[in-house]
Amino acid sequence: SQQGEEDPQALSIQEGENATMNCSYKTSINNLQWYRQNSGRGLVHLILIRSNEREKHSGRLRVTLDTSKKSSSLLITASRAADTASYFCATDAHFNKFYFGSGTKLNVKP
Amino acid sequence: DVKVTQSSRYLVKRTGEKVFLECVQDMDHENMFWYRQDPGLGLRLIYFSYDVKMKEKGDIPEGYSVSREKKERFSLILESASTNQTSMYLCASSLSPTYEQYFGPGTRLTVT
Repeated sequence: SQQGEEDPQALSIQEGENATMNCSYKTSINNLQWYRQNSGRGLVHLILIRSNEREKHSGRLRVTLDTSKKSSSLLITASRAADTASYFCATDAHFNKFYFGSGTKLNVKP
Repeated sequence: DVKVTQSSRYLVKRTGEKVFLECVQDMDHENMFWYRQDPGLGLRLIYFSYDVKMKEKGDIPEGYSVSREKKERFSLILESASTNQTSMYLCASSLSPTYEQYFGPGTRLTVT
């Protein structure tokens, strides 16, 4: 089974609401990354959090990492229609290899 | 800005054809990757390369090969395309294996 798994698989919210998505992984990591993918396009890197960090912010994004629970969460505050996309976490379980989850599909309704 | 380009956005090939997917990056990155993306399965690593002429198998290398003759170019080759290779193919590059990866726009390949 996959190293990283996002939850929920799909999320639908109204513009202005916060969106939270979670990622769980199985083995120890050095860092964890979050990416966004707009429909049918390539992935765009959002944020990287190292295993010795607990929280990181970037604009409206807040990422937390709990290595004891092997989980991370991505919070998007005050969501906009333009945030509609799929969001993936990626973990470096093995050197030189990143494992991506199957993603959370976020729909932000205007 | 880092730019990763892929030779085609859409490609339709017949079963048994040899298929070349090209990827070029302009940031002098050492590391380049090929993934395929299928619904419900996320991204799966096919091959990666950490230097010119160097390559390593990812999780699903069967039916694929790669070539990296120049630092900026990483090619994915389907020796004999099959219908189960119909997928979205994504190329990425990074400065270091565990740093952020920069992705190309993807090639949607259909094998009929």
